[in-house]
Amino acid sequence: GENVEQHPSTLSVQEGDSAVIKCTYSDSASNYFPWYKQELGKRPQLIIDIRSNVGEKKDQRIAVTLNKTAKHFSLHITETQPEDSAVYFCAASIDNNDMRFGAGTRLTVKP
Amino acid sequence: ETGVTQSPTHLIKTRGQQVTLRCSSQSGHNTVSWYQQALGQGPQFIFQYYREEENGRGNFPPRFSGLQFPNYSSELNVNALELDDSALYLCASSLAAAPQETQYFGPGTRLLVL
Repeated sequence: GENVEQHPSTLSVQEGDSAVIKCTYSDSASNYFPWYKQELGKRPQLIIDIRSNVGEKKDQRIAVTLNKTAKHFSLHITETQPEDSAVYFCAASIDNNDMRFGAGTRLTVKP
Repeated sequence: ETGVTQSPTHLIKTRGQQVTLRCSSQSGHNTVSWYQQALGQGPQFIFQYYREEENGRGNFPPRFSGLQFPNYSSELNVNALELDDSALYLCASSLAAAPQETQYFGPGTRLLVL
C-alpha cells in the first residue's frame, strides 16, 4: 500500500519568513494530494490540494508543488503569520480512496 | 466550519466493550471515510463507504466495522475494545466523483478505553 513520509517533524520560523514542508509517496498510482492544517483540539482543515495532472498550484500565501517522477510534493507558505502555527499533514490517495497521511509537521511562527 | 457532524464528542469505555460512533455527512455528499488519529500522529484510514457499500479498507481488524445509511450518514462500530483503540476518530465526507474529491472532516469523537 501507499506510504507517505513527511519532513520535518517540527519547524520554527520567524514571522514573515517562508516555511517549506516536504512529503514523499511510494505508490506511483496516487493522483490526489491534499494538505491539511490541524490546530490543537480541532478537526483537520483542507488548505490546498493538487491533482497529478498539475505541477504547481497557488492560493495567496500558500503553494504546493508536485514532482511525479520523483514522487514528492511540497507545501510552501510565504510571509508566515503567528496564526499559521499548527500541525500540517500531507496526504496521498488514488481517486480519493484509502488516503494515507504523513506523520505531520508542527509549525511554530514566532512573532 | 464544514457541515460534517459527529457524535458523541467524547466517550469513555472499558476493555472488551463495544462502541458505536456516528457521522452525518455534508449535504450533497455520498461518500464517508473514517480515520483513527492517535495522539501526535496523522490520521490512519479505517474504511470508506460509498452509496451504502464499503469501498475500501485500511489495515484494521474485522472488529472495526461500519454502515452507511440511505441519507449517507454513517456509523463506525468497534467490538472488543482494546486499550490501543484510545484515539480521536474522525469521519470525512466527500463527493466521490472527481474533481469534487475534497474530504471535509467532522470534529471527531475522542474515545478513551480504560
